[in-house]
Amino acid sequence: GIQVEQSPPDLILQEGANSTLRCNFSDSVNNLQWFHQNPWGQLINLFYIPSGTKQNGRLSATTVATERYSLLYISSSQTTDSGVYFCAVTSFWETSGSRLTFGEGTQLTVNP
Amino acid sequence: EAGVVQSPRYKIIEKKQPVAFWCNPISGHNTLYWYLQNLGQGPELLIRYENEEAVDDSQLPKDRFSAERLKGVDSTLKIQPAELGDSAVYLCASSFGTGWQETQYFGPGTRLLVL
Repeated sequence: GIQVEQSPPDLILQEGANSTLRCNFSDSVNNLQWFHQNPWGQLINLFYIPSGTKQNGRLSATTVATERYSLLYISSSQTTDSGVYFCAVTSFWETSGSRLTFGEGTQLTVNP
Repeated sequence: EAGVVQSPRYKIIEKKQPVAFWCNPISGHNTLYWYLQNLGQGPELLIRYENEEAVDDSQLPKDRFSAERLKGVDSTLKIQPAELGDSAVYLCASSFGTGWQETQYFGPGTRLLVL
């Protein structure tokens, strides 16, 4: 099956700093989503971005499908940004519909 | 609009006991997913329903796990008997359609501890 690798595994920032999280995937995809899992375990969908660039407030994401990677940018980080960020993809060859394969996540800690 | 509802939020049982988890998806969402999340890892799909039909259950350990989605709305995931290795978070998600481009919305999860 498709492999999803996220880096870095852990990231510690001071409030106000910027960061870039990376997601590499091993095959063509037709679905790529970024999620934030807060410290209470709730998974929140941030972006649906199989290609191109999107922005939502302080967050933006870019996916370069031809090179099989996606980047999540967090600007002016806040303590509420802390948690785990997951990249999840559906392989282009997946015939059974939307089976998301998740990476292992990036654990982000933003200190005040 | 209410989100995906799951219950219970926490469950502690002894090994070999049965346990069941319940999920109510977002109203109007036809597709429902059950995921397993082990500590420090991303969620892994157990089963996906389109309405009442289980269309992807290839990763569900059928010797001890079962699921149902009667009437195409609520769903129940059962483990019988539970083993120590089943301790994890069980997540339910739903999406409006059935295609690969659908955004999935997750519930808060059920944290299971098997002693």
